[in-house]
Amino acid sequence: AQKITQTQPGMFVQEKEAVTLDCTYDTSDQSYGLFWYKQPSSGEMIFLIYQGSYDEQNATEGRYSLNFQKARKSANLVISASQLGDSAMYFCAMREAYASGGSYIPTFGRGTSLIVHP
Amino acid sequence: DTGVSQDPRHKITKRGQNVTFRCDPISEHNRLYWYRQTLGQGPEFLTYFQNEAQLEKSRLLSDRFSAERPKGSFSTLEIQRTEQGDSAMYLCASSSPGNTEAFFGQGTRLTVV
Repeated sequence: AQKITQTQPGMFVQEKEAVTLDCTYDTSDQSYGLFWYKQPSSGEMIFLIYQGSYDEQNATEGRYSLNFQKARKSANLVISASQLGDSAMYFCAMREAYASGGSYIPTFGRGTSLIVHP
Repeated sequence: DTGVSQDPRHKITKRGQNVTFRCDPISEHNRLYWYRQTLGQGPEFLTYFQNEAQLEKSRLLSDRFSAERPKGSFSTLEIQRTEQGDSAMYLCASSSPGNTEAFFGQGTRLTVV
């Protein structure tokens, strides 16, 4: 079963508008973390925002906010005031229980391609 | 530049050849991850190191793949007898115990012809 589901292969938004990228996850752990990364055409994965499962407030980082709905197991990314430079692939990821050595191994979704129109 | 560095950025090789990629993590990071990403997919986990110890390996990591991190600093990923199905982007990431997120390099794009 998919741990991370991103149902929108592609999204289009007008510059300066807000856009929501969907992410649902599947876990039986009580303690987990959710991430969003941006991948421009250059290939590098750029960390955007993190939400811990015990965090009561939705995470925000500048123009990025994470709409965390724990009961629905969703962690949607909201980008406000879209810019042309926001055009990229966006990946939702989750870390679950610790792997060997006390770390975790993030699992990624298939991504959503966002295109911002002028 | 103090980010994660990967070399080479691009590699074209003939089927059956061996290739080796290098990853230099952020200097104070003791955790290092390798992922593979094919077109239209998200990154898939390959292997994880803590310092020099390889602690996790995915079933994706067939016996043609080997990874090392001999001194707990840089890491190498070698693919022997490459196949066309190995064509992908190979991503390296690192983190420290104080980080919630992993920091990625720009990747090595492998094309097997």
